Amino acid sequence: GIQVEQSPPDLILQEGANSTLRCNFSDSVNNLQWFHQNPWGQLINLFYIPSGTKQNGRLSATTVATERYSLLYISSSQTTDSGVYFCALTTSGTYKYIFGTGTRLKVLA
Amino acid sequence: EADIYQTPRYLVIGTGKKITLECSQTMGHDKMYWYQQDPGMELHLIHYSYGVNSTEKGDLSSESTVSRIRTEHFPLTLESARPSHTSQYLCASSESKGPAQPQHFGDGTRLSIL
Repeated sequence: GIQVEQSPPDLILQEGANSTLRCNFSDSVNNLQWFHQNPWGQLINLFYIPSGTKQNGRLSATTVATERYSLLYISSSQTTDSGVYFCALTTSGTYKYIFGTGTRLKVLA
Repeated sequence: EADIYQTPRYLVIGTGKKITLECSQTMGHDKMYWYQQDPGMELHLIHYSYGVNSTEKGDLSSESTVSRIRTEHFPLTLESARPSHTSQYLCASSESKGPAQPQHFGDGTRLSIL
């Protein structure tokens, strides 16, 4: 089956810093999403981005499907950005999402 | 934002009890999913459904069962809870039509079996 790898696994930032999270996958994808899981366990949908670039405030994401990776950019990080960031995707012929192992982000005040 | 609801939000219960975790969505989505997640770890698909009377087991083996009698409702049942079932359970749904089929998640149920 498809392999989904996220890097880095852990990240500690000072408030105000920028960061880039990466999601590599081993096959072509139909659907790709980025989620933020907050300390209360809720999964927040950040982007639906099987290809191209999107921006939402301080966050933006880019997926280069032909090279099999997606990037999530966080600018001017805030303590509320802390949590775990997951990418999840489906491949052709299936509607089952496969999740990456996540990037655990801690933003220090 | 999507409307998908899970109850209870937290449940602490003794070993051997029968448990049903509720999940409902009001968007008319055909596809629904249950995931199991240990704290801070990745999500594992345990059940999914592509429509009424359609249920399949996911990639992670689970002793739980599901039913899909109505489009909007996808409950998960544990007949006899054990401490190994302690985890967070997340329900999701997605659109069936068109190429864009993002998943929408409920807030989850944190289950502790004593």
